[in-house]
Amino acid sequence: AQRVTQPEKLLSVFKGAPVELKCNYSYSGSPELFWYVQYSRQRLQLLLRHISRESIKGFTADLNKGETSFHLKKPFAQEEDSAMYYCALIGAGSYQLTFGKGTKLSVIP
Amino acid sequence: NAGVTQTPKFQVLKTGQSMTLQCAQDMNHEYMSWYRQDPGMGLRLIHYSVGAGITDQGEVPNGYNVSRSTTEDFPLRLLSAAPSQTSVYFCASSYRPSGKYYEQYFGPGTRLTVT
Repeated sequence: AQRVTQPEKLLSVFKGAPVELKCNYSYSGSPELFWYVQYSRQRLQLLLRHISRESIKGFTADLNKGETSFHLKKPFAQEEDSAMYYCALIGAGSYQLTFGKGTKLSVIP
Repeated sequence: NAGVTQTPKFQVLKTGQSMTLQCAQDMNHEYMSWYRQDPGMGLRLIHYSVGAGITDQGEVPNGYNVSRSTTEDFPLRLLSAAPSQTSVYFCASSYRPSGKYYEQYFGPGTRLTVT
């Protein structure tokens, strides 16, 4: 069975400090990994996907197949980064996303 | 394109009432799905559809019905509302931009309270 684990429910960091949101997954095969962000009372937005290897709003995420991890990182946190972050997985050819339970990031001014 | 739209934005129901949450997309996506979002639980899949006339159950289908008569619309029906169905409901549609993987787009959500 596929699973996504986000071990931290809440992460608080000071503005300007580095951020790392952890995500581990289990899947037998080669999945596509995503990070979604949800700002207060808004819809989920795709932040980035591992296959694109892009940086969005200063965030990056590297897929580590050995450790089955897809941690989200940003070198300097901004107040506007405060939001709920969800890691998600989808298998090749599959329609269905499997979500982690989310991590709430709070950036302290 | 309007993307994925949902109505209503907010709804309060009494226990036992029924209602339909509407979802529509104008991107001609084949796949649509409904999730509920609860604190500490993340997003859980309720029902999904891989095309008009085809629906299937997700992780938490009990108490909900769906139908897919057109590609654009995917309504979610609560047959007899219960307080446990108090949640935020998100509709999503998916397409495959290239390669093997699908990408999902979410609606703005419906915040439902059952008293």
